[in-house]
Amino acid sequence: AQKVTQAQTEISVVEKEDVTLDCVYETRDTTYYLFWYKQPPSGELVFLIRRNSFDEQNEISGRYSWNFQKSTSSFNFTITASQVVDSAVYFCALRNTGGFKTIFGAGTRLFVKA
Amino acid sequence: KAGVTQTPRYLIKTRGQQVTLSCSPISGHRSVSWYQQTPGQGLQFLFEYFSETQRNKGNFPGRFSGRQFSNSRSEMNVSTLELGDSALYLCASSSNLDTQYFGPGTRLTVL
Repeated sequence: AQKVTQAQTEISVVEKEDVTLDCVYETRDTTYYLFWYKQPPSGELVFLIRRNSFDEQNEISGRYSWNFQKSTSSFNFTITASQVVDSAVYFCALRNTGGFKTIFGAGTRLFVKA
Repeated sequence: KAGVTQTPRYLIKTRGQQVTLSCSPISGHRSVSWYQQTPGQGLQFLFEYFSETQRNKGNFPGRFSGRQFSNSRSEMNVSTLELGDSALYLCASSSNLDTQYFGPGTRLTVL
């Protein structure tokens, strides 16, 4: 069975703080994709990153960075120097190559206060 | 490229009615997936279509159905609406098993 767990329901930080959103996944497949999406109040899910199961290289994009560790089945997302515009719900997701569907975590609501 | 478009954006229906939602994928994308998002259940997979064929279906009653046309546009239909069907319905398109890009959603309210 596939599962994505985002244990943090809500996180509140003050602007300029760093924040890490946790994601733990379960799958029996050896080949799969992991994703992070951002959902601002408008409702649209915005794609942030995709990582293939065979590529454990961490990635940095501006203030965003992702840490993928297969050994612990985790794909954590860090925002450095958070800004008010980062306030949103963030979803971690898992998609295996043969299942034709994406499993989403429950999401983490991030509040960044000025 | 234009993004995924969904129509209508907002819809109010009463119990027992039926509704049809439409999704136009990104040009060139042949896979369209539908998701239901509610505060209590989160994001739940409804179904996925590729080249007019349904490849996978989530755990929803038969009142929920969908289809895909030859131009990759997709529709989903919900018959005999219930109060619990009130949700944000999100459509996503991808080239195949690649990254899914989401539309703005249709917010359905059932009274």
